[in-house]
Amino acid sequence: AQTVTQSQPEMSVQEAETVTLSCTYDTSESDYYLFWYKQPPSRQMILVIRQEAYKQQNATENRFSVNFQKAAKSFSLKISDSQLGDAAMYFCAWGGTSSNTGKLIFGQGTTLQVKP
Amino acid sequence: DVKVTQSSRYLVKRTGEKVFLECVQDMDHENMFWYRQDPGLGLRLIYFSYDVKMKEKGDIPEGYSVSREKKERFSLILESASTNQTSMYLCASRTGGARGETQYFGPGTRLLVL
Repeated sequence: AQTVTQSQPEMSVQEAETVTLSCTYDTSESDYYLFWYKQPPSRQMILVIRQEAYKQQNATENRFSVNFQKAAKSFSLKISDSQLGDAAMYFCAWGGTSSNTGKLIFGQGTTLQVKP
Repeated sequence: DVKVTQSSRYLVKRTGEKVFLECVQDMDHENMFWYRQDPGLGLRLIYFSYDVKMKEKGDIPEGYSVSREKKERFSLILESASTNQTSMYLCASRTGGARGETQYFGPGTRLLVL
């Protein structure tokens, strides 16, 4: 069975600095997707970034980028130039492609605090 | 924009009550999901549905049932609420059959069972 582990329950970063959130996963499948979702306080969860396992190039979305290490089964999220609006809980998630159900396996979450 | 709505943001119920949580999406998505979110455990899948009247158990279905009579609506039912079902419940939807497609989440329902 697939598992996703986020070993950092809480992180903090100074505004304008860079922070990296860690995520490791375990799977025997070779074709899958990885996601980072953001859940701001009292607001809906939204997708931050997505990575396909077959793509070697790391995904980037503006100030957000990932470091995808397939052999190590590691998928970290880097937030550059942190802003107060980045404060949220971040979830790493794994999604397989062997079925079309779209089921995701989520990690435990990391709460990010951004200090002004 | 995709919109997923949930019937209540906060709900307080008594032990033994039957509880209905409703979720509606407006993007004609085939797949819908119910998760519960607990501190330190992340999101865990309770049930999901890939079509009207079709459902499958997730990782923690015990004590829950679901109903999907219309494509846009997916209901989670707590047959007899217990205190250990106090949690945040999140609904999500997604296009069926698409590789790597994201899930879109509702705002969540925070349920307290007394």
